Amino acid sequence: KAGVTQTPRYLIKTRGQQVTLSCSPISGHRSVSWYQQTPGQGLQFLFEYFSETQRNKGNFPGRFSGRQFSNSRSEMNVSTLELGDSALYLCASSFWGNIQYFGAGTRLSVL
Amino acid sequence: TQLLEQSPQFLSIQEGENLTVYCNSSSVFSSLQWYRQEPGEGPVLLVTVVTGGEVKKLKRLTFQFGDARKDSSLHITAAQPGDTGLYLCAGEGDSGGSNYKLTFGKGTLLTVNP
Repeated sequence: KAGVTQTPRYLIKTRGQQVTLSCSPISGHRSVSWYQQTPGQGLQFLFEYFSETQRNKGNFPGRFSGRQFSNSRSEMNVSTLELGDSALYLCASSFWGNIQYFGAGTRLSVL
Repeated sequence: TQLLEQSPQFLSIQEGENLTVYCNSSSVFSSLQWYRQEPGEGPVLLVTVVTGGEVKKLKRLTFQFGDARKDSSLHITAAQPGDTGLYLCAGEGDSGGSNYKLTFGKGTLLTVNP
């Protein structure tokens, strides 16, 4: 069974731009969660989607948004990028919600 | 807001030594998970503990969940260079509504020198 796939692996953007990250979950998994990982704050929960509905949301500004498609693939969008958005963005999928399988992440650098 | 404090933040030891990593909170969790993350990769689940006082062993790794389900520890016996990585604990909320949001500690970065 293929694991969680995140694309792209690396991304460089400039301040003010927007970015879309993609996540393909493990086949059969309907829950997709997104996390931001930085050295200072660690792993912080962004949001979780289940069957195309946002089921839970972390404490991030509205510039961070996401969606899930009918095939469970998910995208995360960050608009008006700031320097502080530079981070590793991790996606995790699960069959039900609590045991999560992570992708390798997308490393976003904002210049 | 549920918080998990991990200690120590950094640990550098020699091969063959034993070590313990701690994960503490003032909140109760329905379960607690331990992950290991290697550079350039996402976290990989090592174990989930659910019952207060539970002890689980994974080869040289021993995980314990506190009786009150607020804290956990990870003990590694005879550490090897392959154990090097970032160890993360994550708690699943005990309040129903947050069941699908894991709260992560900031991690313990372990380096095992040959």
